[in-house]
Amino acid sequence: AQKITQTQPGMFVQEKEAVTLDCTYDTSDQSYGLFWYKQPSSGEMIFLIYQGSYDEQNATEGRYSLNFQKARKSANLVISASQLGDSAMYFCAMREGQDDKIIFGKGTRLHILP
Amino acid sequence: DTEVTQTPKHLVMGMTNKKSLKCEQHMGHRAMYWYKQKAKKPPELMFVYSYEKLSINESVPSRFSPECPNSSLLNLHLHALQPEDSALYLCASSRETSDYTDTQYFGPGTRLTVL
Repeated sequence: AQKITQTQPGMFVQEKEAVTLDCTYDTSDQSYGLFWYKQPSSGEMIFLIYQGSYDEQNATEGRYSLNFQKARKSANLVISASQLGDSAMYFCAMREGQDDKIIFGKGTRLHILP
Repeated sequence: DTEVTQTPKHLVMGMTNKKSLKCEQHMGHRAMYWYKQKAKKPPELMFVYSYEKLSINESVPSRFSPECPNSSLLNLHLHALQPEDSALYLCASSRETSDYTDTQYFGPGTRLTVL
């Protein structure tokens, strides 16, 4: 079974609208971290935001926020007021307990339309 | 500063060549990683170094040989590669391994083409 599921292979959004990128995860660990990365066509993986399993507040970083619903095992990324530069691939990822590895979802390609 | 640098940015090599990819970080991180990423796929972990020692090798073919000369530097030596090894190679670093709160920071990657 997939540990990280991103159900939206691609999305088209009008500039200045808010965007929600879906991510669900599967783990039996109590301690885990959830990450979102942005990858523009240039290739660099840019860290956006982190949410720990014990964090009670949803993480926010500028225009990015993470809608963390622990009981539903979802960690959706919300981008407010989208910009043309937000066009990129977005990966949701998880790190469990003391595992060295980070598990990536398959990604969502976001296209912002002018 | 969360910068990880990688050189070269692009590399074209023949199947008989020997080349090396270089990765550097000056954040004091003690864990460094190599990933391989094919187009439209997520990155796949290749190697993990923790405190300059190889801790994970994800069954990577021996034509890829990692090296960690010091805590800031990570190399990937390439020899006798195949065309299917063409990919984006990403380096990452983090403060530690074995810590779920620890963020991995990635470099810009090396786009490798094997002819």
